[in-house]
Amino acid sequence: DGGITQSPKYLFRKEGQNVTLSCEQNLNHDAMYWYRQDPGQGLRLIYYSQIVNDFQKGDIAEGYSVSREKKESFPLTVTSAQKNPTAFYLCATRGGGQLNTGELFFGEGSRLTVL
Amino acid sequence: EDQVTQSPEALRLQEGESSSLNCSYTVSGLRGLFWYRQDPGKGPEFLFTLYSAGEEKEKERLKATLTKKESFLHITAPKPEDSATYLCAVTRGANSKLTFGKGITLSVRP
Repeated sequence: DGGITQSPKYLFRKEGQNVTLSCEQNLNHDAMYWYRQDPGQGLRLIYYSQIVNDFQKGDIAEGYSVSREKKESFPLTVTSAQKNPTAFYLCATRGGGQLNTGELFFGEGSRLTVL
Repeated sequence: EDQVTQSPEALRLQEGESSSLNCSYTVSGLRGLFWYRQDPGKGPEFLFTLYSAGEEKEKERLKATLTKKESFLHITAPKPEDSATYLCAVTRGANSKLTFGKGITLSVRP
């Protein structure tokens, strides 16, 4: 089935540890995004990538890092420099060319809790 | 800076009681307005894209409309399974980022 797979669904981390959230897609979409969602707030953009080997910072990139070595994969690392990492993290994709009608398609999310 | 304001923050309806959710926006050169549905602990599910004022789209009990300043998501005769958070977002272009509102939590009582 075509889709976006995020893993793990739940993750617990001790303070000072880096963690990596996985996002894989088989939609053949060019662009991939990472958002953070906190209660009572809208989705906030962390990083995005419109093509392999290239990515840009979003509105809240501090304390996060990404890579885009393959079209299908866009992992997000939450580093120990992120001061408030507990949140729900969403990966999204957007088609390119004729596939691009503007909307994003989201994965099921990963909930990170820092203990 | 693009802004999206959704109201009310929460809405409780009786089954069958129709209502509307509002999304007001400020964006320079709107190229698309999107509605999503999000269930607890899940990722947002795409519902509609509206591109120009006067446009309307329907899906089952939902109808989305767009003016130059706001969009409405009308829910006709809602059922408990329509309970969810509804998100609105805007973009300036097909490759531009989306700006999201905070969402409206809808609860429909049987």
